[in-house]
Amino acid sequence: KAGVTQTPRYLIKTRGQQVTLSCSPISGHRSVSWYQQTPGQGLQFLFEYFSETQRNKGNFPGRFSGRQFSNSRSEMNVSTLELGDSALYLCASSLGLQGDPNYGYTFGSGTRLTVV
Amino acid sequence: AQSVAQPEDQVNVAEGNPLTVKCTYSVSGNPYLFWYVQYPNRGLQFLLKYITGDNLVKGSYGFEAEFNKSQTSFHLKKPSALVSDSALYFCAVRETGRRALTFGSGTRLQVQP
Repeated sequence: KAGVTQTPRYLIKTRGQQVTLSCSPISGHRSVSWYQQTPGQGLQFLFEYFSETQRNKGNFPGRFSGRQFSNSRSEMNVSTLELGDSALYLCASSLGLQGDPNYGYTFGSGTRLTVV
Repeated sequence: AQSVAQPEDQVNVAEGNPLTVKCTYSVSGNPYLFWYVQYPNRGLQFLLKYITGDNLVKGSYGFEAEFNKSQTSFHLKKPSALVSDSALYFCAVRETGRRALTFGSGTRLQVQP
């Protein structure tokens, strides 16, 4: 079966712009989580959506937002981009809620965002 | 608050030798522990998890991990390293009652031929 698909793979944006990243989970998975990965901060949790509702949120400013559609596809949006937003953004999908030990979750290959 | 530490930024080992990647955790309740591996320009791949039961957990690609409650550790091990094991390894923890996973900073494993 198809894995988690993230688009686009690479993005270059200018400071101050906004960006939208997309994540299509594995078919049947209802939970989508987003992470930011940077060399300095490692993997940091952004938010999790389950059945179109945000269930968890990490410690990121309001410029970072997301949503989930009825088909479980998710988007995250970053407004007013800053240089520090340059990172690999990963999404992961699961049948259950994030970290639920009864369900594994699968990561996509990520979107590498570069802000110049 | 839950946290996880990977004290080594990099581990070097010769092919065929045993490898250990260290992880310690801190939680208030019972932990759920996970190991993931990341290859260049890829997402994270699940290796194994500890939920309850046997302290020695076996996972993918010949990896195993030992849960030690008294030392709050969950070290990743493999009896015989392969060059293809070279990658970035992440330990993650979630305590019961919490939903979010917390990841360690990652350990880069280099296996020399």
